Formats: sequence, structure tokens, C-alpha cells
Amino acid sequence: KAGVTQTPRYLIKTRGQQVTLSCSPISGHRSVSWYQQTPGQGLQFLFEYFSETQRNKGNFPGRFSGRQFSNSRSEMNVSTLELGDSALYLCASSWGLAVKNTGELFFGEGSRLTVL
Amino acid sequence: QKEVEQDPGPLSVPEGAIVSLNCTYSNSAFQYFMWYRQYSRKGPELLMYTYSSGNKEDGRFTAQVDKSSKYISLFIRDSQPSDSATYLCAMSGDNYGQNFVFGPGTRLSVLP
Repeated sequence: KAGVTQTPRYLIKTRGQQVTLSCSPISGHRSVSWYQQTPGQGLQFLFEYFSETQRNKGNFPGRFSGRQFSNSRSEMNVSTLELGDSALYLCASSWGLAVKNTGELFFGEGSRLTVL
Repeated sequence: QKEVEQDPGPLSVPEGAIVSLNCTYSNSAFQYFMWYRQYSRKGPELLMYTYSSGNKEDGRFTAQVDKSSKYISLFIRDSQPSDSATYLCAMSGDNYGQNFVFGPGTRLSVLP
């Protein structure tokens, strides 16, 4: 069974540019969550999508956006990049609201974004 | 004050030692408590899941939750070099959906 796949794994952008990251969840999983991980702030929740609808959103500016397609694949976009956006962006999938059953989020290996 | 506090370490122990990892939290609405392990350049993977207060054991790992003190722990018995990783506590509540709140992580090194 394939795991969560994130592309690209590494990318370098300059301030002001925009970036799109992609996440393919485990087959059959309908929920996709995005997290930002930095050494200073740790893992911070960006948003969650379930059945193409954003279900929950963290405290990030509107420059961070996402969407989910009918096949559950998800993309997140960051516009007008800032130096502070340099981070590991992790995608996690689960079948549904797993928190009440197993607490299990299946994470991908992340997309490491460097903003120069 | 952050919602979830965790000693970042690094914590170095000899092989075979008992390791104690801890998190404190401030939000009494949390009911679901998880421990994730993250190896370098990998995504986190779930180790333990506990609902409400109590203990849970799985092999060499034991998770404890004390909701009255807002304190959770993960114990690793007979630690192995392969346990060297960053350990993240995470928690959530009924109103959080998939929004898990993670601790900053404790980096553990088990020395052979």
C-alpha cells in the first residue's frame, strides 16, 4: 500500500514568488491535513480538507491556501513568499476524522521549502 | 504560554536505559493524546494513542495521561539506538477536528 506522497521534496524560491505543493494521500483516505514544521515553532496546523471542503484552518495568513480534488489529492499554495516561510511542509492523510478512533495521521516525508 | 510544552532536549541515554519523555498542556478541552516519532528527514509516525486519562502499554512503550495535572508521559524501556529520533506529543479535542496541537518535540539519542 503506497504511503502519502508529497512533491516536490525540495525547492528553493525567492521572496515574492509563489509556490504550489502537492500531496497524494493513501488510497481510500478522504482527509488531508497540512502542517508547517520549523525548528522554532514545531509542527503547526495549516488546514484540513475532507471531501473537497476545507474543514478547519489554523492561524496562518491568507497567503497560505489549499484545495482538494475529487480524488482526494490536495495542493497547497503560498503566495508572495517571505523568508519566514522557509520550512518543512508536511501533509497527513486519514480515512476520516481519525482523531476520535485511533489518532493516526499518516504523514508524508514533506516538502522542504527554502526562501532566499 | 504555549498550549503544549515539551523539553526540546537533546536527551542522551545509554542503550538499555529507561527513557521518560513528558509534555504539559494548558487546554483542559484536550481529550485525545498521541505520541509521534520522527526520524531525521522523515514525516512523523504514530507511536501511541490514548483517550482521556490512564495508562497504555505497547511493547517497550508506555503512555500515561494525567488530565488533572495536564501532564502526559511516554516511557521507553530497554531503549535501543534505533529509538534515536525526535518524539512529538500531540493532542486534540472534540472541537478540533483533525487539528492536532503538537509539542515542539524532544530529540532523543540512545548511545550504543
